[in-house]
Amino acid sequence: DGGITQSPKYLFRKEGQNVTLSCEQNLNHDAMYWYRQDPGQGLRLIYYSQIVNDFQKGDIAEGYSVSREKKESFPLTVTSAQKNPTAFYLCASSSAGGAYEQYFGPGTRLTVT
Amino acid sequence: EDQVTQSPEALRLQEGESSSLNCSYTVSGLRGLFWYRQDPGKGPEFLFTLYSAGEEKEKERLKATLTKKESFLHITAPKPEDSATYLCAVQPTTSGTYKYIFGTGTRLKVLA
Repeated sequence: DGGITQSPKYLFRKEGQNVTLSCEQNLNHDAMYWYRQDPGQGLRLIYYSQIVNDFQKGDIAEGYSVSREKKESFPLTVTSAQKNPTAFYLCASSSAGGAYEQYFGPGTRLTVT
Repeated sequence: EDQVTQSPEALRLQEGESSSLNCSYTVSGLRGLFWYRQDPGKGPEFLFTLYSAGEEKEKERLKATLTKKESFLHITAPKPEDSATYLCAVQPTTSGTYKYIFGTGTRLKVLA
């Protein structure tokens, strides 16, 4: 079955530690995205990539980094520079270049204490 | 500024009580409007894409419609399993195709 996987489902870290969230898709989509979801707010775009080896900052990229070395994979690193990292993180993918629906992974809930 | 507003924030229905959820949008041009369903602690699940005013899409008890300023998600004779948060997103023509603007959602609870 085609889809998007994210791991882990829950992640706990201490302040000052970097952490990497995994996202893999087998939908053959060119575009991949990372969003952050906080209570009472719409999904906010962190980073996106429309092609391998290229990615762009979204609306809230500060304190985050990504890589896109393979079409299937788009990992997100939450660095110690991110002021409020505790959140629900969603990875999505879509065909690129038009009005295409996004397909989302199950999400990773990150808690930093 | 491009904006998406969903109403109501929360809605409680009795099983079988039909209703509508609203998604109002302000964009200079619309490339597409998307509806998603999100269960607690899970990722959004795609429901519909609408492209132009007058368009309608249906799936089981759900029907999505689009005008030039808003979209409605009509739920006919809902069941408890329809309880979820419903998200609306728009893709404006004035931004790149990576840009999707999400509303904050409507939390629907259907009581048996």
